[in-house]
Amino acid sequence: GESVGLHLPTLSVQEGDNSIINCAYSNSASDYFIWYKQESGKGPQFIIDIRSNMDKRQGQRVTVLLNKTVKHLSLQIAATQPGDSAVYFCAEIENNAGNMLTFGGGTRLMVKP
Amino acid sequence: DAGVIQSPRHEVTEMGQEVTLRCKPISGHDYLFWYRQTMMRGLELLIYFNNNVPIDDSGMPEDRFSAKMPNASFSTLKIQPSEPRDSAVYFCASSSFSLVKLGYTFGSGTRLTVV
Repeated sequence: GESVGLHLPTLSVQEGDNSIINCAYSNSASDYFIWYKQESGKGPQFIIDIRSNMDKRQGQRVTVLLNKTVKHLSLQIAATQPGDSAVYFCAEIENNAGNMLTFGGGTRLMVKP
Repeated sequence: DAGVIQSPRHEVTEMGQEVTLRCKPISGHDYLFWYRQTMMRGLELLIYFNNNVPIDDSGMPEDRFSAKMPNASFSTLKIQPSEPRDSAVYFCASSSFSLVKLGYTFGSGTRLTVV
């Protein structure tokens, strides 16, 4: 697969369990956040987003939580499946800094059958 | 929609050679981004275009790197001369102004190996 890092933190979970992937961001002016999933050999793929005026947003099997006080973002995956195995990146956009995404370092999720 | 199309998927070249990576963004998207991904540095933004005009190239590592977007449907990233430390996966992504807040659509990347 493509190079996404032997040095990434890894979360290993049992199939069927819930997963929580965390991300700390540093720019308090960021007003929009996105979670991406990158499978081996593919580019990052949009999963879910959240605006800074929200603290929770739910999708299908995924929930994103935003805590602006401590500048922390998390992605929760319910009933984790083998197909969820991938590297997950958080990304942020600041309204006054153009439309550039700034990516976090990524977390590798491994799902054990 | 075929998505963002990048070519080649893999490129192996010798140090000193010129390398050209290609990208076809999604039709109608007016933003195009070039990223580089390595084990050590993760995803780095190299340059981005809006309506074919380079807006920010501060991420381009050196003068050896150049990018062009001659029209709305095509962009190139060129490295001349290439060096082993340029080995990485290079991603192109596109978005439209109204959708930029929904994130970018990435291509499958070009894995570059410089030997």
